[in-house]
Amino acid sequence: QQQVKQSPQSLIVQKGGISIINCAYENTAFDYFPWYQQFPGKGPALLIAIRPDVSEKKEGRFTISFNKSAKQFSLHIMDSQPGDSATYFCAASTDTNAGKSTFGDGTTLTVKP
Amino acid sequence: DAGITQSPRHKVTETGTPVTLRCHQTENHRYMYWYRQDPGHGLRLIHYSYGVKDTDKGEVSDGYSVSRSKTEDFLLTLESATSSQTSVYFCAIRNPGTASAGNTIYFGEGSWLTVV
Repeated sequence: QQQVKQSPQSLIVQKGGISIINCAYENTAFDYFPWYQQFPGKGPALLIAIRPDVSEKKEGRFTISFNKSAKQFSLHIMDSQPGDSATYFCAASTDTNAGKSTFGDGTTLTVKP
Repeated sequence: DAGITQSPRHKVTETGTPVTLRCHQTENHRYMYWYRQDPGHGLRLIHYSYGVKDTDKGEVSDGYSVSRSKTEDFLLTLESATSSQTSVYFCAIRNPGTASAGNTIYFGEGSWLTVV
């Protein structure tokens, strides 16, 4: 049973466009929802994260939108740049249970110049 | 950088041989994790540790064992490597964070293991 479902698997966007990646979760006990960015040959790195008590969080060109009732959250990358080309993972966790995170399967984003 | 060092970074081994991957942290964090990353499967938790000599299984623990004799070191052992264990292995540490920050996990650079 996959607890975090991520879509799309791959995404191609033109430079300057908006990239949108979606995730859905099942466990209502999750209370922390981070997004990680991974470049080839590197480990994933935290990009932005949100708690369920807010519906949106913005950091620069990156925004998380959170819909608690629908159990969905999404990453929006505004003014996408070729340097944003990477694999993006959503995740969900709780403060209990050793803080173990459950990850989506990842989205490979390609931003064309 | 989160102060995580994985070794070896790349290894090719034969089926049936034992393999140990090492993760070393300089952050003195309590929680450490081993994940494997495979195409189409994202990151899956193998084992984790919540303190010295305190470890537990993750979702894909079969064929793997771990040990943590010191806060800074977390070892992952494949007792008898199989081709299905060809993967990229990531060590991670957890920053307990604040009430608003939550469970921030920092990953190492990865260990590429090929079992032939």
